Amino acid sequence: EVQLVESGGGLVQSGGSLRLSCAASGFTFSSYWMSWVRQAPGKGLEWVANIKQDGNDKYYVDSVKGRFTISRDNAKNLLYLQMNGLRAEDTAVYYCARENGYCSGDNCYSWGFDYWGQGTLVTVSS
Amino acid sequence: SYELTQPPSVSVSPGQTARITCSGDALAKQYAYWYQQKPGQAPVLVIYKDSERPSGIPERFSASSSGTTVMLTISGVQAEDEADYYCQSADSSGTWVFGGGTKLTVL
Repeated sequence: EVQLVESGGGLVQSGGSLRLSCAASGFTFSSYWMSWVRQAPGKGLEWVANIKQDGNDKYYVDSVKGRFTISRDNAKNLLYLQMNGLRAEDTAVYYCARENGYCSGDNCYSWGFDYWGQGTLVTVSS
Repeated sequence: SYELTQPPSVSVSPGQTARITCSGDALAKQYAYWYQQKPGQAPVLVIYKDSERPSGIPERFSASSSGTTVMLTISGVQAEDEADYYCQSADSSGTWVFGGGTKLTVL
C-alpha cells in the first residue's frame, strides 16, 4: 500500500525556518517525481515545488523561490522541504504528493498526482 | 506563470448532471487533471490526461477538452460527490498550477 506521511509542521515566527519531511512507503520512491502542495486555511490548492527522480531537476512556484528548497533522500525514501524566511502568507497545510508518470530520455510525461499524504500544518505568526 | 479559472460554485440536485469548467491558455497545449477534495481530507485524482479516469473512480466522472477550456462532468450526481473540485495543468517551464477550485453543492 502506498503511503506518504508528512511531518515537521508547527508554529514558527515570521522570518523563521522549518524543515518538512515526507516518508514514502509501498512503492519505489526513486522512480517518481515528487511534489509539495499547500493549502492555506479556507483557500485552494497551490503547487509549491517538485523534484525529479534523481534530485537533479527542481522547480518552484515564484512566491517561494530563494526561500524554500526541495530535496530528497532516495536511500531513506524521504522527501524534504526546507523553508526559510517564512512569512504569514506561508501559513498552510503542506501536502506531499507522488507524480505518476514516466520519463523517456529528457522527456517526462505525467499522469497526475495519484497519491497524497494527509498534510502537516505550518503556522507562521507575525 | 499562468492562471486556470474555475467557477467558484456549482449546484445540482441528486441525479442531475454537474458540469465544472476550467479555462486557461496553457490548456490548449497541456493536459488537464482534476481532483476532488472533501473537507478535512487530502485531494483525490479523479481525471488525468484530459479525460482518463484512474482505477477506482466511478464511471459517472468524465471530462473533455476543447481549446483552452476543459470540463469535468459528473453524471447522476450523488450526495457523496459534494466536494471541492480543482483542475490542474502544467506550463512549459515545468511548473504546475491549480485552478481556484469549485465547490459542488448537492441540493
